[in-house]
Amino acid sequence: DQQVKQNSPSLSVQEGRISILNCDYTNSMFDYFLWYKKYPAEGPTFLISISSIKDKNEDGRFTVFLNKSAKHLSLHIVPSQPGDSAVYFCAASSIQGAQKLVFGQGTRLTINP
Amino acid sequence: DADVTQTPRNRITKTGKRIMLECSQTKGHDRMYWYRQDPGLGLRLIYYSFDVKDINKGEISDGYSVSRQAQAKFSLSLESAIPNQTALYFCATSAEGAQGYTFGSGTRLTVV
Repeated sequence: DQQVKQNSPSLSVQEGRISILNCDYTNSMFDYFLWYKKYPAEGPTFLISISSIKDKNEDGRFTVFLNKSAKHLSLHIVPSQPGDSAVYFCAASSIQGAQKLVFGQGTRLTINP
Repeated sequence: DADVTQTPRNRITKTGKRIMLECSQTKGHDRMYWYRQDPGLGLRLIYYSFDVKDINKGEISDGYSVSRQAQAKFSLSLESAIPNQTALYFCATSAEGAQGYTFGSGTRLTVV
């Protein structure tokens, strides 16, 4: 039972355009959501997060949007740069789950010059 | 030095062998985790520990065991390795109440 789902295994975007990565979740108890970025041969690194009391969080080129009614969040990267090419994981946690992170399957983003 | 160090980085082992993956951290965090990454499945939790005397199973603990030797050390063992345990393994740490993890660089394990 996949509680956090990233239905797009891969995404290709032209440099300078907007990249939109999507994530859906099924557990309504999740109250905190994170995006991690992973390069080959490295561990995932934290990118941006959002609490369930907000619907948007922005950090430079990265913005995360949360739609609680739809149980959906998205990560927007604008403008996309070649260094953004990586695998992006969506993750969620809840107080009831002792704040353990539950991850999605990941989306491989490729930024084309 | 890295905050979370995993050894070895790569390992090839034979079916039936016992193998241990080690993780150490300098973050001073109480909480440590072991995940495995498989293509199309993302990161799945194997075991976690919230302090030295606390060990808990995750969603895919069968075939694995762990030992929390100290606050800074958390090792994962495969008692009798099988090919479907071929995967990328990650150790992570977090502070109590923290909302995110710090990951190690991973161990790529191949069971032949």
